[in-house]
Amino acid sequence: TQLLEQSPQFLSIQEGENLTVYCNSSSVFSSLQWYRQEPGEGPVLLVTVVTGGEVKKLKRLTFQFGDARKDSSLHITAAQPGDTGLYLCATLKAAGNKLTFGGGTRVLVKP
Amino acid sequence: DTGVSQDPRHKITKRGQNVTFRCDPISEHNRLYWYRQTLGQGPEFLTYFQNEAQLEKSRLLSDRFSAERPKGSFSTLEIQRTEQGDSAMYLCASSSPPGGEWNTGELFFGEGSRLTVL
Repeated sequence: TQLLEQSPQFLSIQEGENLTVYCNSSSVFSSLQWYRQEPGEGPVLLVTVVTGGEVKKLKRLTFQFGDARKDSSLHITAAQPGDTGLYLCATLKAAGNKLTFGGGTRVLVKP
Repeated sequence: DTGVSQDPRHKITKRGQNVTFRCDPISEHNRLYWYRQTLGQGPEFLTYFQNEAQLEKSRLLSDRFSAERPKGSFSTLEIQRTEQGDSAMYLCASSSPPGGEWNTGELFFGEGSRLTVL
């Protein structure tokens, strides 16, 4: 069982539609990070959420950290082809700054 | 460019051969990480260094794998007697010292070295 479970594994939508991806765990985390990875590139940090119930917005992306700090969601409004990529959630283990990643959600936004 | 760089970007080798990957981290970062990523999956932690000291190794890192960071700057990851199951993207990342003014917990990744073992 993975520490972080991401769903769905794959999502294909048309440009302009909304989408939500989820990151869940049975463990409580002090913080959670979301990364986006484009084909042939390394992951790039989008946001870090720290406080239970926290909501952060990054243009058309809205990130939420669950009240119990066990889950998180990423919502994209009016998706664009440039949003295509692998969305990864990750938790930071303070000792060593070691990131543990979920399996990722692959998002394809078709024009 | 002051980002993390990895070399080579692509490597095709025959089973049983040895391969070595190099990573140059962001210069002021003292922590360096190696991850492995297979197609469609999230990165899996392999090992990390603080300066020249290797502080943690995953059980994924078999005895055919060895990583070094001799001077606390660049790092190498060597795979001996490669197997087809070693085919993956090998990602390097670096981060600034924990608790420091600039530390946000963010890892800065390179573009990866893709290994194909035939």
